[in-house]
Amino acid sequence: GAGVSQSPSNKVTEKGKDVELRCDPISGHTALYWYRQSLGQGLEFLIYFQGNSAPDKSGLPSDRFSAERTGGSVSTLTIQRTQQEDSAVYLCASSVHSSYNEQFFGPGTRLTVL
Amino acid sequence: AQTVTQSQPEMSVQEAETVTLSCTYDTSESDYYLFWYKQPPSRQMILVIRQEAYKQQNATENRFSVNFQKAAKSFSLKISDSQLGDAAMYFCAYRSGGGSEKLVFGKGTKLTVNP
Repeated sequence: GAGVSQSPSNKVTEKGKDVELRCDPISGHTALYWYRQSLGQGLEFLIYFQGNSAPDKSGLPSDRFSAERTGGSVSTLTIQRTQQEDSAVYLCASSVHSSYNEQFFGPGTRLTVL
Repeated sequence: AQTVTQSQPEMSVQEAETVTLSCTYDTSESDYYLFWYKQPPSRQMILVIRQEAYKQQNATENRFSVNFQKAAKSFSLKISDSQLGDAAMYFCAYRSGGGSEKLVFGKGTKLTVNP
């Protein structure tokens, strides 16, 4: 079966523009996570979805960041009024359900804000 | 809040030799999980090995093994018989046993394997 896919692979945008990043989890995976990987840094948790429960948004750095998950599958991370410090690789992961199960990661979207 | 520290930004090893990557963590929880992930230049994060905190036995996966010292809050990764394909960034990660499902990552160690 297909793994986690993300699009676009790379995105270059101008400061102040809005961007949308997409994540397609593995079919049947009910848990979905977004992480951000800035240059020279580890991965930073952003948001977590589990089934129909309210998402854990505790990692979102500002109100310019939002995410949704439609139909319990595809997720979109939206960054409004992008800033240069938003430049990073955004990684999505999914797992069978929120438990000990392994998180499977996508290849990420590299966002560059000029 | 939990933190994960990887004190070695870069490491190198000769092919076929053994290398150990260090990881320490800080938590007040007794139930948690620890992971090592590998990230090659393709950016794809791949799970290498995992350890449940309640298990005293160190996890092993082929050439990869861990030295889990719960009292010392240490979780090092040993790679035996290093191969060129092992070259990558390695991230240590922590996950709480209850509540939050998020992974808390260290900043990573870049491993170079020399032929």
